[in-house]
Amino acid sequence: EAQVTQNPRYLITVTGKKLTVTCSQNMNHEYMSWYRQDPGLGLRQIYYSMNVEVTDKGDVPEGYKVSRKEKRNFPLILESPSPNQTSLYFCASSLRGRGTEAFFGQGTRLTVV
Amino acid sequence: DAKTTQPNSMESNEEEPVHLPCNHSTISGTDYIHWYRQLPSQGPEYVIHGLTSNVNNRMASLAIAEDRKSSTLILHRATLRDAAVYYCILRDRETIQGGSEKLVFGKGTKLTVNP
Repeated sequence: EAQVTQNPRYLITVTGKKLTVTCSQNMNHEYMSWYRQDPGLGLRQIYYSMNVEVTDKGDVPEGYKVSRKEKRNFPLILESPSPNQTSLYFCASSLRGRGTEAFFGQGTRLTVV
Repeated sequence: DAKTTQPNSMESNEEEPVHLPCNHSTISGTDYIHWYRQLPSQGPEYVIHGLTSNVNNRMASLAIAEDRKSSTLILHRATLRDAAVYYCILRDRETIQGGSEKLVFGKGTKLTVNP
């Protein structure tokens, strides 16, 4: 089954404690991205990757890092989380340059206290 | 990115057709019209997309106005599982081919389906 898998689904952490949210896809997609969803602000892109070792900033990259060492994985790293990063996070993947459907993960609800 | 306008909310009864409108008066010739939906507590899910002609798939139909300034997503028989927020999104073909696959989500239409 084609899918994007995020882990963990829920996470409560404290300010400053580094964390990683993993994302993996099994569709051999070149393009992967991270979004955050906040009430009243909708979904906003954080970072994206067009292929292995190719990443770029989206609209709200501050406070986040990503890496793309393998095609299937695209982890989101919060080096020093702060309460304003409390949000619902989604990873997505798609074939590059085709404008076809994007597949989204189930989401990770992060709370930073 | 060109802007879309959708009603904030709509209501339907189960097993009845639902027509979800979207206005995109500033659409360019290279913009595709995409629809996604987000069920409660889930990630967005692709529904359908089109350029000029009407499109059908197993989930829905997309009717595109002749001048392309509006479109309608049609759910032929709404079920309770169709209750979701529906997003109409324009995607520029030239931007996509240039590498940016970003989806720009607006506020969408919250569809309520009554049993």
